[in-house]
Amino acid sequence: SAVISQKPSRDICQRGTSLTIQCQVDSQVTMMFWYRQQPGQSLTLIATANQGSEATYESGFVIDKFPISRPNLTFSTLTVSNMSPEDSSIYLCSVALAGGPNEQFFGPGTRLTVL
Amino acid sequence: GENVEQHPSTLSVQEGDSAVIKCTYSDSASNYFPWYKQELGKRPQLIIDIRSNVGEKKDQRIAVTLNKTAKHFSLHITETQPEDSAVYFCAAPLTGTASKLTFGTGTRLQVTL
Repeated sequence: SAVISQKPSRDICQRGTSLTIQCQVDSQVTMMFWYRQQPGQSLTLIATANQGSEATYESGFVIDKFPISRPNLTFSTLTVSNMSPEDSSIYLCSVALAGGPNEQFFGPGTRLTVL
Repeated sequence: GENVEQHPSTLSVQEGDSAVIKCTYSDSASNYFPWYKQELGKRPQLIIDIRSNVGEKKDQRIAVTLNKTAKHFSLHITETQPEDSAVYFCAAPLTGTASKLTFGTGTRLQVTL
């Protein structure tokens, strides 16, 4: 597996502001993903972070709201833009060490509260 | 797209008993089925997975079985212990993708003394 860290671990933000979440891996990985987990709910895939190109978003998620960067094979950021209380959630990055149907490992998550 | 249904939503067992959680999927082309355990306030942890070329996989007290015909797979935990208490999620690949996952709704397992 890989050691995955996220910053910040938690934050409380005012509505209308933006927050950028960082995900760092200790080794190069092929795939990086961003998920959202609302309180007491399951995990929902937001997007795949592609190295050197635009992220691939799932239905219901758009780039203007959740811009993603992946400048190299070990780092990615997710920004939650123009936040509202409905964005209060845990945001997790995950990585797959190889392409295809392979194990995904999750970062510790960022707990976001929007007031 | 791929739809994964998970049952039950909650499960309470006595320590030492077995627990079984079942998931069904819709895409017959799906070929990879992981299970994650998430303790309160922690990240989901991969505990076992199975690929479509086998029917069963076991790792100590945990096993996963796959029925491709019926399109369901199950997590079996034997000799449950209090530390098995957590939320368990099954997952399957999103339709048309090899690496993206869609998750079940989760099962909250409580192991009582």
